[in-house]
Amino acid sequence: QKEVEQNSGPLSVPEGAIASLNCTYSDRGSQSFFWYRQYSGKSPELIMFIYSNGDKEDGRFTAQLNKASQYVSLLIRDSQPSDSATYLCAVKISGGYQKVTFGTGTKLQVIP
Amino acid sequence: GAVVSQHPSRVICKSGTSVKIECRSLDFQATTMFWYRQFPKQSLMLMATSNEGSKATYEQGVEKDKFLINHASLTLSTLTVTSAHPEDSSFYICSARVGGGGTGNTIYFGEGSWLTVV
Repeated sequence: QKEVEQNSGPLSVPEGAIASLNCTYSDRGSQSFFWYRQYSGKSPELIMFIYSNGDKEDGRFTAQLNKASQYVSLLIRDSQPSDSATYLCAVKISGGYQKVTFGTGTKLQVIP
Repeated sequence: GAVVSQHPSRVICKSGTSVKIECRSLDFQATTMFWYRQFPKQSLMLMATSNEGSKATYEQGVEKDKFLINHASLTLSTLTVTSAHPEDSSFYICSARVGGGGTGNTIYFGEGSWLTVV
């Protein structure tokens, strides 16, 4: 089982809709969870992070964390074509040097 | 967010030569930096963890003698690809951790460096 799993997509949503991106992780001791956006040919940029169960909102983005079920999701409201990118879930697992493990990413396509 | 700068953004080198990529934290001190490699349409692959003042920790399967990492100061880590070959052509990305290592820290990425070995 991979440490961090994401559906590779592509996930296609119409402009203005809500995009829902999901991520599951295997290490129950994981502490911190991050969502990054990566445009083609560019390096990842941090969207938001979450540490506690529940929802965390930042503008059009909402991260949701459920540690009991070991999943974290990212909701993008009012999706725009500029949101089209690959979204990477990252999890800081427990252990010695606090290693961060990335999922393979979900490609999102927002259709105008 | 914190700024991590990477240089060069693009480099072309001849097969058999070495190339150095720099990663700098511009507005914070980074005791730990990470080096990733990403082939087209594939996910990030962690190559090594660079610790200031000590030897880097390499991931399984990464040749430490081929990918030399030096983290001589709190703001600079370098990756040198030695005796580069065409199969080393890839997108190399560094990142740095902001914070003391507990739950309250995040990782920021540099802009990445495209390496093409001809």
